[in-house]
Amino acid sequence: DAGVIQSPRHEVTEMGQEVTLRCKPISGHDYLFWYRQTMMRGLELLIYFNNNVPIDDSGMPEDRFSAKMPNASFSTLKIQPSEPRDSAVYFCASSFTLAQYNEQFFGPGTRLTVL
Amino acid sequence: AQSVAQPEDQVNVAEGNPLTVKCTYSVSGNPYLFWYVQYPNRGLQFLLKYITGDNLVKGSYGFEAEFNKSQTSFHLKKPSALVSDSALYFCAVRDAVLLIWGAGTKLIIKP
Repeated sequence: DAGVIQSPRHEVTEMGQEVTLRCKPISGHDYLFWYRQTMMRGLELLIYFNNNVPIDDSGMPEDRFSAKMPNASFSTLKIQPSEPRDSAVYFCASSFTLAQYNEQFFGPGTRLTVL
Repeated sequence: AQSVAQPEDQVNVAEGNPLTVKCTYSVSGNPYLFWYVQYPNRGLQFLLKYITGDNLVKGSYGFEAEFNKSQTSFHLKKPSALVSDSALYFCAVRDAVLLIWGAGTKLIIKP
């Protein structure tokens, strides 16, 4: 398996533009997580899905952020409009059932820079 | 609520020396503990986990971790450090359905 795939790897955009980040989880995994990593705040969970259904989006910072999972092999995180403070590395992770002993597998991340 | 603490922002070790990266936790019930490593410009990679059983857990790249219930600690160790071990290390504890992450410890191995 290729692991968790994220695209793009790098994104540079201007304030006010829409940004869409993409994730393909590992085949067969039924949980998908979106994280954000910054120097100031560390690793933050934004939202997670189970069987394509959003379970907890309490970590989504504002209404400008939205996430979807239309099928088991694809998820998007959208920021509209983007702001400079959204600059961060965004990670997608997946896991197979949420048994307490199952680890999460991370993608390589998308480094977002909003100018 | 479950929590995990990594008391050191950075740890410096000379190559060939043993290394320890500290982690303490606070949980209600049995702890399920994890260590991940993040190399520069990469995602987090799973190293090892403690679920139950032997207090010494062996993981990838020669790392091991010692679970100490009385001290509520789960320190990451390696007998002989390599320069290539330089990275950011995260400890995490399972909280019902999610992982609660530590702030991370930057490990620097000097030649």
